[in-house]
Amino acid sequence: GAGVSQSPRYKVTKRGQDVALRCDPISGHVSLYWYRQALGQGPEFLTYFNYEAQQDKSGLPNDRFSAERPEGSISTLTIQRTEQRDSAMYRCASSLAGRAGSSYEQYFGPGTRLTVT
Amino acid sequence: ELKVEQNPLFLSMQEGKNYTIYCNYSTTSDRLYWYRQDPGKSLESLFVLLSNGAVKQEGRLMASLDTKARLSTLHITAAVHDLSATYFCAVGARYNFNKFYFGSGTKLNVKP
Repeated sequence: GAGVSQSPRYKVTKRGQDVALRCDPISGHVSLYWYRQALGQGPEFLTYFNYEAQQDKSGLPNDRFSAERPEGSISTLTIQRTEQRDSAMYRCASSLAGRAGSSYEQYFGPGTRLTVT
Repeated sequence: ELKVEQNPLFLSMQEGKNYTIYCNYSTTSDRLYWYRQDPGKSLESLFVLLSNGAVKQEGRLMASLDTKARLSTLHITAAVHDLSATYFCAVGARYNFNKFYFGSGTKLNVKP
């Protein structure tokens, strides 16, 4: 079946602009996660949702970053007033977490490469 | 905060040889996940280890978990070039299974 999809795959923006990154999880997956991955590093947790509820946003670097999942499916990560240090790969993952017998295994999307110039 | 340390960070090995990648973590957890990432690609799930002593094998790769030592290993047997990739371990936080902490990854290069 279809995996996790993300759009756009690449985004170049000027410093100070707002960007919105989209994630479409695997159908039926309850939980959705956002990560940021710097080159040569492992993914770093940003936030996650169970259905439409944002359960943990402790990894969001500052208040310029926000995320939503209004209908419990597609999610958007928004970065306001982008800065050069925001340049990274942003990855989304989804899982059956919370369903009986789930291993909480997370399935990752292809990512959005964000470059802030 | 849970810290995850992988070693080695880089591994260059000949085809046919065996080697082990280590994943140590700082606080109690019994949920450990291994992922593979090819250059420019996403992360592909390899193994899910959910209890002390868990062992999983797939082809030339075998993963194990020792929760008392807070250690997981990924053993490579008779390496082949196709195994060249970056391998990440991720630990699920004990009180929140949804929150994964990743290691920095081990970049494996298997030379023909």
